[in-house]
Amino acid sequence: GGIITQTPKFLIGQEGQKLTLKCQQNFNHDTMYWYRQDSGKGLRLIYYSITENDLQKGDLSEGYDASREKKSSFSLTVTSAQKNEMAVFLCASSSRDTQYFGPGTRLLVL
Amino acid sequence: GEQVEQLPSILRVQEGSSASINCTYENSASNYFPWYKQEPGENPKLIIDIRSNMERKQTQGLIVLLDKKAKRFSLHITDTQPGDSAMYFCAASSSSGSWQLIFGSGTQLTVMP
Repeated sequence: GGIITQTPKFLIGQEGQKLTLKCQQNFNHDTMYWYRQDSGKGLRLIYYSITENDLQKGDLSEGYDASREKKSSFSLTVTSAQKNEMAVFLCASSSRDTQYFGPGTRLLVL
Repeated sequence: GEQVEQLPSILRVQEGSSASINCTYENSASNYFPWYKQEPGENPKLIIDIRSNMERKQTQGLIVLLDKKAKRFSLHITDTQPGDSAMYFCAASSSSGSWQLIFGSGTQLTVMP
């Protein structure tokens, strides 16, 4: 087995601020994903990466950057936080089609 | 983009009865259909999945059915318990490959004692 860790667990930012979320996995999975989940809603794909240094845009990539520094880590940057934004950002990884999720980072923008 | 429709969005059942959630997908090339359970404040956890070479799969009180012709799949929870109360998401593999999943919008299941 393995685990996915996300840091920080909670993130409070200011409007216009650049915010970075980090994700680490020790499954040795090739593919990693970033999703956004708004309260009571489904998951929307922001970015994914199929290998180290690879980056693919999802449906929700505008306003975000991502970086796959190494196989085990995938970071997401909110380029300019929007006032009153509140969402959970979920990282996932997979070796083939089965995805496993991290515990999430809860973002609140004041 | 591709979509997965999930219904109902809210489901309330009596303890001991069964609960059914239905999803439809658009792309006939989709071949993998997982179901996730998410409890409040927790991450989604995979509970059961089915691939396109099967029509039915069952595990520990969960049954998944897949109708490829109708592009429809469903989750049936038999003998529901209060611990089954959670948000449930279906997903279908994307035609764009790279192991992408398209998620449904979720079903909030409440099992009433």
